[in-house]
Amino acid sequence: EAQVTQNPRYLITVTGKKLTVTCSQNMNHEYMSWYRQDPGLGLRQIYYSMNVEVTDKGDVPEGYKVSRKEKRNFPLILESPSPNQTSLYFCASRQGGAYEQYFGPGTRLTVT
Amino acid sequence: DQQVKQNSPSLSVQEGRISILNCDYTNSMFDYFLWYKKYPAEGPTFLISISSIKDKNEDGRFTVFLNKSAKHLSLHIVPSQPGDSAVYFCAAYNNNDMRFGAGTRLTVKP
Repeated sequence: EAQVTQNPRYLITVTGKKLTVTCSQNMNHEYMSWYRQDPGLGLRQIYYSMNVEVTDKGDVPEGYKVSRKEKRNFPLILESPSPNQTSLYFCASRQGGAYEQYFGPGTRLTVT
Repeated sequence: DQQVKQNSPSLSVQEGRISILNCDYTNSMFDYFLWYKKYPAEGPTFLISISSIKDKNEDGRFTVFLNKSAKHLSLHIVPSQPGDSAVYFCAAYNNNDMRFGAGTRLTVKP
């Protein structure tokens, strides 16, 4: 089954404790991205990657890092999480040249 | 800078009637538009799309209309069904830059 998976689905952590949210897709898509969803703001792009070892900032990259060492994986790293990073996070992927993105199920992060 | 706006946070319609969800954008460089549907505890799923060279695209009960001069698009669902109850996001593309609206929560009452 073609899918994007994210782990964990739910995470409660404390300020300053480094964490990683994993994202993996099995569709051999070139393009992957991370979004956060906040009430009244919709989905805002954090980082995206057009292929292995190629990443770039989206609209709200501050406080986040990403890496793309393999085509299928695109982890999101919060080196020192803060309460304003409490949000619902989505990973997405698409084929190069296509418009439709496939989204993961989401990770709800709470930083206290 | 909210380049894609969905001004109605919520919409309630009766089963069998038409649902019309609206979306406005400010960037005239957007050349492709999509609608996504999101159920609770799931990621958004693609619903329907339209290129800027068209003004209408239809897929079963779902039709998207694009008015480029007004920078406005709308999603029509006819007839609406209770299973259509979800949050609908409008999205717009320009050169690998995809922008989403804030979403409209549609409730279809039996």
